[in-house]
This record gives sequence, C-alpha cells and structure tokens, in this order.
Amino acid sequence: DMQMTQSPSSLSASVGDRVTITCRASEAISTYLNWYQQKPGKAPNLLIYAASSLQIGVPSRFSGSGSGTDFTLTISSLQPEDFATYFCQQGYITPYTFGQGTKLDIK
Amino acid sequence: QLQLQESGPGLVKPSETLSLTCSLSGDSVTNSNFYWGWMRQPPGKGLEWIGKIDYSGGTQYNPSLRGRATISRDTSKNHFSLRLTSVTAADTAVYHCARGHDFWPYHMDVWGRGTTVTVSS
Repeated sequence: DMQMTQSPSSLSASVGDRVTITCRASEAISTYLNWYQQKPGKAPNLLIYAASSLQIGVPSRFSGSGSGTDFTLTISSLQPEDFATYFCQQGYITPYTFGQGTKLDIK
Repeated sequence: QLQLQESGPGLVKPSETLSLTCSLSGDSVTNSNFYWGWMRQPPGKGLEWIGKIDYSGGTQYNPSLRGRATISRDTSKNHFSLRLTSVTAADTAVYHCARGHDFWPYHMDVWGRGTTVTVSS
C-alpha cells in the first residue's frame, strides 16, 4: 500500500501563528493529494484537494502545495477555530490511504 | 446540501457480522460523478479506507480486510451499506461514510459524523 507519513504528529501554536504540516508519500503520486480537518465528534472536512486547490467555503488562510512525494499544508494565521486534527489522503491508487494525522493545539 | 448519516448497532459480538447503513439527503447514490465510501478509525489510530461503491454498483475494497467487507446500495431507499463479517476486537472503530469524486484526485468532499462500533462479548 502507498504509505503516507505526516509530520509533526502534534503541534502547539498560538493564535496568529503561521503553521506548516507536511505529508510524504512512499512513491510519487503526482497531485493526487487531499487535506482534511477533523474536530472531535465531527465529520472530517475537506480543506484542499489536488494538492493546492481550496475547497469551496474554506478560508483563504489555508493553502496547499507540492507534487510527487512531498506536500505541505499551511495555515497563514491561526484562528481559534483552527485547533483540530489534520490529515492527508492520497487518491492515486486504491486502497486510498491517509496520513496518521497532526493534532494542532493551543500553546 | 448533501448530508450523510451513518446508522447501525453500536455493539457487535466477536465472530458476528457488522452491518451499517449510510443514508443520503441531497444527492443520489446513482450520481455518476461520485463514489460512496466507507472509512474507519480505531481508537487512537489513523483513518483506514474500507472501500467504495460507484454509481453503477461497482465496488473496490481494501485488501487488508481479506474479503470480509461488502458494500452495497439500495437505490429505492437512496442509501448504501457496509457488511463486515467475522468481526474481532480489532474492528472496533468509529465508522464514517463519505461521498467521493470519482475522478482526479478522488477526494471526499462530504462525510458523515461517524458511528462508533464496539466489538465485544
């Protein structure tokens, strides 16, 4: 299976900080990479698809980049509602696989 | 606006079959632009893709489940279902259904909140 490795696994930051999360695929996946946000007890929420396309309704402080094996999710200025868990997912080949998640909490 | 809602027993005995249903409002399981998928998240672990069913009823599954999973749909009720046979404690998880775009990059844009299933005698 395609392995997706996220780093860091957890991150403490403050409101207003710029935060970057990385995701690495075990093989090249072009831009078949998607990012999600999940809060406890809620449905996951699609943020970024195709590595860099912002999902409708998602604030512009979220951005994604990368292709091949290395990808990043950046939050330009953290807001209180952004403290959550983030995970990446590859859609290049089935079984689709996810990163293990990055938990972002308040410093 | 599409909403997905998972339903099913919260407790299943070891060796028995887990059955869950995902009900749709705001879209159709026969929409050719999308697939309908199941994921799960065991306690303290990451998400695992279980499988998907497309608009024509075609299915794909995660080989890690060794043939135990079956995804089906009922077009008259506009829902799709998951059956997982011979469950063990390792199948204890929060199960999510989701709508996925059946073209590049196969992203899942709407998810259900999830339902917790515990396997225990």
